Amino acid sequence: EAQVTQNPRYLITVTGKKLTVTCSQNMNHEYMSWYRQDPGLGLRQIYYSMNVEVTDKGDVPEGYKVSRKEKRNFPLILESPSPNQTSLYFCASSLGSGGDGYTFGSGTRLTVV
Amino acid sequence: AQSVTQLDSQVPVFEEAPVELRCNYSSSVSVYLFWYVQYPNQGLQLLLKYLSGSTLVESINGFEAEFNKSQTSFHLRKPSVHISDTAEYFCAVSDVRRKLIFGQGTELSVKP
Repeated sequence: EAQVTQNPRYLITVTGKKLTVTCSQNMNHEYMSWYRQDPGLGLRQIYYSMNVEVTDKGDVPEGYKVSRKEKRNFPLILESPSPNQTSLYFCASSLGSGGDGYTFGSGTRLTVV
Repeated sequence: AQSVTQLDSQVPVFEEAPVELRCNYSSSVSVYLFWYVQYPNQGLQLLLKYLSGSTLVESINGFEAEFNKSQTSFHLRKPSVHISDTAEYFCAVSDVRRKLIFGQGTELSVKP
C-alpha cells in the first residue's frame, strides 16, 4: 500500500530534550515536506526537500532541523524543544509537479511540557 | 506571494441539506488548486483538485468545486450532505515549485 508513515503518533516530552520524528514514504517520491497544524492557523510548512541532500526552509523553520540522506526518509529533529512547539505535525510527499498534490502521513501529536 | 482564505471557520448544517465551503486565493501566477479533508484524528486526504481544463471538478463522494478565475475563488459544494461528511476541510494552492499553501480550514458539522 502506498503510504507515508510517521512515528510516533503521540509524544509527550520535556523542554530541552532532543527528539526526532521519523517519516518514511514507499512511493519513490522526490518531494517531501513537514507541516505543523495549529488551531485557526491551518497548516504551515516547516521544511521541505526536493530530493536527496536537497533541503530548504519553509515558513516556520525556527527550532527545527531536517535531513534527507535517503530518498524515502525525511526525519524532523527538534534539538531543544520548547512549549511553543506543541502542535500536530504532518509529513507529506509528492511525486513530481505542483499538480500532483501531496500524500500525507497520519500525523504526530507532540506535547512539550 | 500566494495566499488562501477560507471565509468560514465553522459551517453547521443539517443532514441532507446543501453546503458550500468558500475559498478565495491570491496569486500572480498560474496555480493548481486543491481541497483536502481531515476526519477526526486522521491525516489529510485529497478530495479533489483543479489543474487546468474544465473549471468544474468532482470527487467520488459527491463534492464538487468550481474554479472561477475572475473571482479568484474555488468554492466547494455538495447538494446533500451526510453525517459522515463531518470533518475539517482545507483549501490549498500550489505552484510549479510544489509548495502547498493552505487556508485556515473550515469545520463542517453535519447534524441529524
